[in-house]
Amino acid sequence: QKEVEQDPGPLSVPEGAIVSLNCTYSNSAFQYFMWYRQYSRKGPELLMYTYSSGNKEDGRFTAQVDKSSKYISLFIRDSQPSDSATYLCAFSLNYQLIWGAGTKLIIKP
Amino acid sequence: EPEVTQTPSHQVTQMGQEVILRCVPISNHLYFYWYRQILGQKVEFLVSFYNNEISEKSEIFDDQFSVERPDGSNFTLKIRSTKLEDSAMYFCASSGDRDRSYQETQYFGPGTRLLVL
Repeated sequence: QKEVEQDPGPLSVPEGAIVSLNCTYSNSAFQYFMWYRQYSRKGPELLMYTYSSGNKEDGRFTAQVDKSSKYISLFIRDSQPSDSATYLCAFSLNYQLIWGAGTKLIIKP
Repeated sequence: EPEVTQTPSHQVTQMGQEVILRCVPISNHLYFYWYRQILGQKVEFLVSFYNNEISEKSEIFDDQFSVERPDGSNFTLKIRSTKLEDSAMYFCASSGDRDRSYQETQYFGPGTRLLVL
């Protein structure tokens, strides 16, 4: 079993739709849970992070963590073409981040 | 807004040559990292650095790799004798503005694309 599982997509949705991106993980020792956005040939850009189960909202983005199920989600409301990117989940373990493969998201105008 | 910067943006080198990738972390951060991403693959952790020493390194970070903070602002990754498989995007990151805050989020630079021929 891989430490982090993330569907690579691509996921294609129409503009304005609600997007749901997910990762599952197996390591209970993970401390922080993060979502990064990466545009083609650019560095990962931090979107959201949390360390506890529950929801955290920031504008159109909501991060959800369920530690009991070892499952995290990122919801994007009112999706825009500019949201088209690869979304990576990442988990902190001591000094390093463990990454998902990334889901490529395409928002069609 | 403070950001991590990296130079060069692109580097082409011959196999067996030494390369040095440079990073300027966010100024008040204490923890520094290097990651790499081979085209089409996951981001992979290489090394973390704190208080002028390596705090953690991955299996990838073998004797061919070294890191240094030569002054108060730069953080470098050296690859002594490059191999074809070292071709990747190398990202520098920094975090933590106080001791024991390494778990806080890491902020990434734009990356250096290294191509080994």
